[in-house]
Amino acid sequence: GAGVSQSPSNKVTEKGKDVELRCDPISGHTALYWYRQSLGQGLEFLIYFQGNSAPDKSGLPSDRFSAERTGGSVSTLTIQRTQQEDSAVYLCASSLVSSRNEQFFGPGTRLTVL
Amino acid sequence: EDKVVQSPLSLVVHEGDTVTLNCSYEVTNFRSLLWYKQEKKAPTFLFMLTSSGIEKKSGRLSSILDKKELSSILNITATQTGDSAIYLCAVELGSNYQLIWGAGTKLIIKP
Repeated sequence: GAGVSQSPSNKVTEKGKDVELRCDPISGHTALYWYRQSLGQGLEFLIYFQGNSAPDKSGLPSDRFSAERTGGSVSTLTIQRTQQEDSAVYLCASSLVSSRNEQFFGPGTRLTVL
Repeated sequence: EDKVVQSPLSLVVHEGDTVTLNCSYEVTNFRSLLWYKQEKKAPTFLFMLTSSGIEKKSGRLSSILDKKELSSILNITATQTGDSAIYLCAVELGSNYQLIWGAGTKLIIKP
């Protein structure tokens, strides 16, 4: 009965390094979302996965950002050549397609780029 | 450009007070409006509103949508310190799955 889990909870990296953030959605949830929340800002949509359909990547801020979802379950968000402006909390959420507006969020990964 | 604006940005009240948080929106294709409570990092779902004038209630929290005014309010009565959080409003677009999020209202309840 676990909720959405994310790892790591905190990540500190140096500018220019690549990072990978992981999300385990709730079992049975076919929709998975990645958001970014910068300090004092609202949630910024990044990418959406729905089943086996091609993901909607329209929210990714640059080509340094990419995401995969393997086997329709676990997702990985990769940020290449990190920049200081990438520092934020990265939140993952999942939902049933039938109630996609009721999203269940993970605890997030706080990314700090030095 | 679709946008959601929340006010106030922050609010400090004493335990027992009643608070009203505001959310206004300008979107091209409205489907629903949602309220979330965010403590620490993960937001938790509170309400979904689709019809104007129908109040949703859960304990001391209630919310109502006004489609004419393109806004919603979230009321919390008899506030407790555990109500301290950031309250986020989001609007779901009818054209796709996307939620447009407000910046949130940071609510602090002093004992």
